[in-house]
Amino acid sequence: SQTIHQWPATLVQPVGSPLSLECTVEGTSNPNLYWYRQAAGRGLQLLFYSVGIGQISSEVPQNLSASRPQDRQFILSSKKLLLSDSGFYLCAWSHSGKGTGQPQHFGDGTRLSIL
Amino acid sequence: QKEVEQDPGPLSVPEGAIVSLNCTYSNSAFQYFMWYRQYSRKGPELLMYTYSSGNKEDGRFTAQVDKSSKYISLFIRDSQPSDSATYLCAMRKSGGSNYKLTFGKGTLLTVNP
Repeated sequence: SQTIHQWPATLVQPVGSPLSLECTVEGTSNPNLYWYRQAAGRGLQLLFYSVGIGQISSEVPQNLSASRPQDRQFILSSKKLLLSDSGFYLCAWSHSGKGTGQPQHFGDGTRLSIL
Repeated sequence: QKEVEQDPGPLSVPEGAIVSLNCTYSNSAFQYFMWYRQYSRKGPELLMYTYSSGNKEDGRFTAQVDKSSKYISLFIRDSQPSDSATYLCAMRKSGGSNYKLTFGKGTLLTVNP
């Protein structure tokens, strides 16, 4: 069966510091990968998605970037964090294939607090 | 008008009650419909996944989609305290490379023993 891992679970960072959150998926090949941010009262916001190594699509212009150095590894980064970057960051995966309507499966998230 | 509307609650019911959770949407292009359960400080967990109109049952959970009314529902029978969580509806369009899910903001459910 497939599993998704995210770390760290909790992170406290000062304003202006860099960020690196990592997500890995096991038990499947060539998954679609996604980064979401969940803010209280605002629902889930898709930040980035990837359909393959090195292929990243950005949904929202912002202070963040994403990379996919390996098939089942997805990284969310920032060079300089802003207070507004605080939130709950979720990684998700789905089976690949255009138009297949595959549902997305989420990791347990990273709670990021910026001080 | 927001694409997906979901009553945030909170909804509080006694153990054993039947729970009805609902979402409405405005975009008739949505074809795939999902319900996720999210416990506090955890990621959303997929509960139900349906395509187009109709009903789908899985144990105590039943998902209904009424595309003519642009309305989806999740019913929980014989609710348990362990069902206490936030429930998120999600939907997406079909075809091509459209991978984006559109989520409701979630309904907070508490089942009291």
